[in-house]
Amino acid sequence: GQQVMQIPQYQHVQEGEDFTTYCNSSTTLSNIQWYKQRPGGHPVFLIQLVKSGEVKKQKRLTFQFGEAKKNSSLHITATQTTDVGTYFCAGPKAGGTSYGKLTFGQGTILTVHP
Amino acid sequence: EAGVAQSPRYKIIEKRQSVAFWCNPISGHATLYWYQQILGQGPKLLIQFQNNGVVDDSQLPKDRFSAERLKGVDSTLKIQPAKLEDSAVYLCASSLKGTGTTKQYFGPGTRLTVT
Repeated sequence: GQQVMQIPQYQHVQEGEDFTTYCNSSTTLSNIQWYKQRPGGHPVFLIQLVKSGEVKKQKRLTFQFGEAKKNSSLHITATQTTDVGTYFCAGPKAGGTSYGKLTFGQGTILTVHP
Repeated sequence: EAGVAQSPRYKIIEKRQSVAFWCNPISGHATLYWYQQILGQGPKLLIQFQNNGVVDDSQLPKDRFSAERLKGVDSTLKIQPAKLEDSAVYLCASSLKGTGTTKQYFGPGTRLTVT
C-alpha cells in the first residue's frame, strides 16, 4: 500500500533558527497537504499543493512539491515558540478510485527553545 | 462557523468492554472521516463516508469496529470488544467533498484508554 515517510522524526531548535521537514511518498500523489498539530490538539490544515514543482509561501513558511509529485518539504524561517507542534504531510494517491483517501506521514515534532 | 464536534473527549474502559464515540461534522459537509491516531504516529483513516454511504473502510477492523452515519449528518464509531491496542485518539474530520482536493477539518478527538 501507499506509504508516506517524514524526516526527521524530531527537531529541536533555538528560537530564531530555521527548520525543515521532508516528506516522501512511495507513490505519485495527486496533491500534498500539510497539517499542524499543537501539543494536545488536533490537526489543522495549513496548505495544499497540486502542481508539480509548486512553491507556496505563508509568511515564514515555505512549502514545495517535488517535480515527480512524490516528495515535499516545509521550511520555516526564523522559528518562534508559536511554531511548536507536529507537522504532518498527507496526500491522496494519484489516479484510481481512492475517493481522496489521505495517507498521513508519521509527522515531525518541532520543539523551539526560547 | 462551528467546528467539528466530538464526544466524549476522554474515555477509560477495561479490555473486552464496548465503547461508542459520536461526531457532528460541520454543517453542509458531505464527507466524514474517522481516524485513529496512536501516540507518536500520524492519523490513520478507519472509514470514510460520502453522505450516508461508505466509500472506504479498507483499514477498519470490522470484527470489532463499526460505524454508521445515519441521515448523512452525525456519525458514531463503536468498538466491541475493545483491546489494549485500541488505546488511541479517535479523530473525526469532515470536508465539503471527498475528492482529496479539499481540506479536512478535524474535531478535538476522543482519547481512549483501554486498561
